Amino acid sequence: SQQGEEDPQALSIQEGENATMNCSYKTSINNLQWYRQNSGRGLVHLILIRSNEREKHSGRLRVTLDTSKKSSSLLITASRAADTASYFCATDDDYKLSFGAGTTVTVRA
Amino acid sequence: AAGVIQSPRHLIKEKRETATLKCYPIPRHDTVYWYQQGPGQDPQFLISFYEKMQSDKGSIPDRFSAQQFSDYHSELNMSSLELGDSALYFCASSPGRVNEKLFFGSGTQLSVL
Repeated sequence: SQQGEEDPQALSIQEGENATMNCSYKTSINNLQWYRQNSGRGLVHLILIRSNEREKHSGRLRVTLDTSKKSSSLLITASRAADTASYFCATDDDYKLSFGAGTTVTVRA
Repeated sequence: AAGVIQSPRHLIKEKRETATLKCYPIPRHDTVYWYQQGPGQDPQFLISFYEKMQSDKGSIPDRFSAQQFSDYHSELNMSSLELGDSALYFCASSPGRVNEKLFFGSGTQLSVL
């Protein structure tokens, strides 16, 4: 991956628990985005955080960004079975997005 | 709301054959991106177009070519297919080149036998 790694690679949690995943990147950015992908399907944009922002919320999602450490985290609160998916961070790279390796989240009922 | 349309959804080809993947962006989106995703891998950028001109180029093999037409739809042409080309190919579109939110199609699953 051009933009580093996501951590953990896989996560299994019980319904109702919180899920946290981290993303590291290598170059300076204007923004960082998180996408969700259900198995074999297209990616869906979840949330965008700009380089001058430190934290952003959207529903049950909370994203943080630490530009000094070149890292971001995505927290999903009160997880549901429907949150089972792979989650990718993406950074703007010239006029395209570069994706991280992804975290596969399984929410057990 | 209209989404990004990709066709075909599945494609099976033999080695050394050619394949053409089509992408119809969301209306009024003038930027199209192509990504390749191998099993268990992150999406890898191939190529993008803005206003019918090539905008950026990534790890796209010389055997592949793409273009964006006057109606903004795009086609990815793949020749001399190899087993390693088996992957999910995604098209995404956005209004302008601002990289702030990409809308992805459902992808084309290419299997090379």
